Amino acid sequence: GENVEQHPSTLSVQEGDSAVIKCTYSDSASNYFPWYKQELGKRPQLIIDIRSNVGEKKDQRIAVTLNKTAKHFSLHITETQPEDSAVYFCAAKKSDMRFGAGTRLTVKP
Amino acid sequence: NAGVTQTPKFQVLKTGQSMTLQCAQDMNHEYMSWYRQDPGMGLRLIHYSVGAGITDQGEVPNGYNVSRSTTEDFPLRLLSAAPSQTSVYFCASSYSNWGTVLNSPLHFGNGTRLTVT
Repeated sequence: GENVEQHPSTLSVQEGDSAVIKCTYSDSASNYFPWYKQELGKRPQLIIDIRSNVGEKKDQRIAVTLNKTAKHFSLHITETQPEDSAVYFCAAKKSDMRFGAGTRLTVKP
Repeated sequence: NAGVTQTPKFQVLKTGQSMTLQCAQDMNHEYMSWYRQDPGMGLRLIHYSVGAGITDQGEVPNGYNVSRSTTEDFPLRLLSAAPSQTSVYFCASSYSNWGTVLNSPLHFGNGTRLTVT
């Protein structure tokens, strides 16, 4: 089955800085790549997604890039705010959805 | 529109006991799935279903059974609970075409926190 690796496992930035989280996947047939944000004690919530026919997608301060040849995709958060602090998960989907192990992002005021 | 509803929210079991975690969705989603979440290990897929009457194994299916008799419900059964099954369990659903899976995001329930002593 699909294997998704995510780095780093923890990330600490100053408010206003950018944060980048990277993921790789193993199955070249995977064609959908969402990112989820999970706050403490809550369920994961979709923040942005990208499909395999697109290289980049942006939504305000959040952007995702996809390199199908290298089988990696990244989440970019600009102008970070304390409320961005959470655990972020990448995922890859072919017939089912597989998740990375998560990145704990801390934004220091 | 309640979305994905999981019950119970919390459960404590003794080793060897059995129980069923309930999951229901009212969005007419054909695709449903169960994940377990353990610290540092992300969300690991237990079982999934692409439609009523169809189920398949995920990454960590051992010790768990599922069935899908209706589009709305996807219960997860623990036949003989073990301490290694202590975890937070999430049910999630999405849109799907029959027999295939469209590229659509998962909608998660609020989770069930299970402790096995």
